[in-house]
Amino acid sequence: GENVEQHPSTLSVQEGDSAVIKCTYSDSASNYFPWYKQELGKGPQLIIDIRSNVGEKKDQRIAVTLNKTAKHFSLHITETQPEDSAVYFCAASNTGNQFYFGTGTSLTVIP
Amino acid sequence: GAGVSQSPSNKVTEKGKDVELRCDPISGHTALYWYRQRLGQGLEFLIYFQGNSAPDKSGLPSDRFSAERTGESVSTLTIQRTQQEDSAVYLCASSPFFSNQPQHFGDGTRLSIL
Repeated sequence: GENVEQHPSTLSVQEGDSAVIKCTYSDSASNYFPWYKQELGKGPQLIIDIRSNVGEKKDQRIAVTLNKTAKHFSLHITETQPEDSAVYFCAASNTGNQFYFGTGTSLTVIP
Repeated sequence: GAGVSQSPSNKVTEKGKDVELRCDPISGHTALYWYRQRLGQGLEFLIYFQGNSAPDKSGLPSDRFSAERTGESVSTLTIQRTQQEDSAVYLCASSPFFSNQPQHFGDGTRLSIL
C-alpha cells in the first residue's frame, strides 16, 4: 500500500519568513495530493491541492509543487503570519478514493 | 448546514461502557471516512464507505469497533466495552463520488474514557 512521509515534524519561523513542508509517497498510482491545516480543537481543513497532471499550483501566499518522478510534493507558505500557526497534513490519494496521510507538521510563526 | 456535522462534540464515559458516535456527511457525498486521532498524533484510518459498496474495514483496531451507514446518509461508529486507550478524537470526513476530490472533515468527537 501507499506510504506517505512528512518532514519536518515541527517548524518554527519568524513572522514574514517562508515555511516549507515536504512529503514523499511510495505508490506511483497516487494522483491527487491535498494539504490540510488543522487548528486546535478543529477538524482538518483543505488549504490547497494538486493533481498529478500539474507541477505547481499557487493560491495567494500558499503554493504546492509536485515532482512525480521523485515522488515528492511540498507546501510553501510565504510571508508567514501568526494565524498560519497550526498543524499541517499532506495526503496522497488514487482513483480508489482512499487517502493516505502524513504524520503532520506543527508550524509556529513567531511574531 | 453545509459542512460535515459530528455529534456529540465531547463524550466522557466510564471504562467498559459502549459509545455511539454520529456523523452527518455533506449532502450528496457518497464517500464517508472515519479516522482516529490521538493527542498530538496524525490521522489513523478506521473505515471507509463508498455508496452501496462493501465498506473497507481494514483500519478497525479490534472487533470492539464497528460502523454502519444507511445509504448515503448518516453514519454511526460504535465502540463496545470501551478501554482507556480508546480515548482520542474521532474524525469523520466525506467526499463526492468522483476521485481526485478533497475530503471535508467535521470537527470530531473528543472521547474520554475514565
